[in-house]
Amino acid sequence: GAVVSQHPSRVICKSGTSVKIECRSLDFQATTMFWYRQFPKKSLMLMATSNEGSKATYEQGVEKDKFLINHASLTLSTLTVTSAHPEDSSFYICSARDTLAGANEKLFFGSGTQLSVL
Amino acid sequence: AQKITQTQPGMFVQEKEAVTLDCTYDTSDQSYGLFWYKQPSSGEMIFLIYQGSYDEQNATEGRYSLNFQKARKSANLVISASQLGDSAMYFCAIKDDYKLSFGAGTTVTVRA
Repeated sequence: GAVVSQHPSRVICKSGTSVKIECRSLDFQATTMFWYRQFPKKSLMLMATSNEGSKATYEQGVEKDKFLINHASLTLSTLTVTSAHPEDSSFYICSARDTLAGANEKLFFGSGTQLSVL
Repeated sequence: AQKITQTQPGMFVQEKEAVTLDCTYDTSDQSYGLFWYKQPSSGEMIFLIYQGSYDEQNATEGRYSLNFQKARKSANLVISASQLGDSAMYFCAIKDDYKLSFGAGTTVTVRA
């Protein structure tokens, strides 16, 4: 089945530094990927929709200058948390849509990244 | 806007018994898709089952079945013959323009 690889799985960084998270579709093309944020025992909240070759679409309340998204190829989207602060600590998870799939095909998820900002 | 409601924050179930997880939704779309995902403690999201709004039959996938009541806008997940490995968080989701909107989730703990 389709696989989405997300790296790193866990990252600890100092406050003020930037962290890049990669989301890669391994055996399918994904013109659209999604980035979610999840707090412990809570739901997944959509942060932004990543579109290959164009600007990402951010959900209301998400700072686009804080969470930089780049989708430069059909198989890779990156999320960069810039100038990270402790309140950015969270679980980030990406999902990808198979470009060739039908409208109601399931989305494939990465395994998530646990970010801890000290 | 679409909305998913899962009213059960946590449930305990005895091994080998069945458990029903509630999910209601709100949408003005005529055509939509409903999904259930399982999230174990490791964090990955595992797809379980899908129901299309025009599907007349309830979806089934192995031990998972979906009790779809369109008029009531509910899509409850039934897990039969629970196993210890079923302990996880379960999310109901509705698809809107390829994006998934998730409910708050239900934590299921299977007891031996």
